[in-house]
Amino acid sequence: KNEVEQSPQNLTAQEGEFITINCSYSVGISALHWLQQHPGGGIVSLFMLSSGKKKHGRLIATINIQEKHSSLHITASHPRDSAVYICAVRSTSGSRLTFGEGTQLTVNP
Amino acid sequence: EPEVTQTPSHQVTQMGQEVILRCVPISNHLYFYWYRQILGQKVEFLVSFYNNEISEKSEIFDDQFSVERPDGSNFTLKIRSTKLEDSAMYFCASSAGTGYGYTFGSGTRLTVV
Repeated sequence: KNEVEQSPQNLTAQEGEFITINCSYSVGISALHWLQQHPGGGIVSLFMLSSGKKKHGRLIATINIQEKHSSLHITASHPRDSAVYICAVRSTSGSRLTFGEGTQLTVNP
Repeated sequence: EPEVTQTPSHQVTQMGQEVILRCVPISNHLYFYWYRQILGQKVEFLVSFYNNEISEKSEIFDDQFSVERPDGSNFTLKIRSTKLEDSAMYFCASSAGTGYGYTFGSGTRLTVV
């Protein structure tokens, strides 16, 4: 079983829709990261969370430590949001990140 | 905004050859990392480096891999004798500390033929 599970694996939406990507993890963590990977391969950090909720523009990330679950929401989705969204966790015992498989998001105009 | 710079962006090498992947982390960051992503798979941790030594490594990081910070600015990953299965995108990342986020480079795509 993977330490970090994401769902869905693939998501297609129409422009303007509200999107939710989920991440569950099975280990104790010190932080959870949401990352974005574009087709060229580069990885951009979106959020780092250890509790509660963070918002940046149309992106919102939440985490429930007790339930070991996090969600990434995109409001008013746009075709430029099309990318792979990756959840990664840093365990309490080191500084390495353990990555999920990623969610491929496609937003159609 | 400060960036992590990786060179080259793409390298093709013959099986058995040595390759060196280069990274310039953000100047005031203290923790440095190498990750890799085989095509179609998830990103995997290779090694972390702090205070001029390896602080953590994965089971992937065997004797054919080594890292160096030769001059206080560059951070290199050397693969001594490349195998076909080393073909992947290699990402360098740096962080100011364990309570801070990561900044990733744009990656080096290594193709072993």
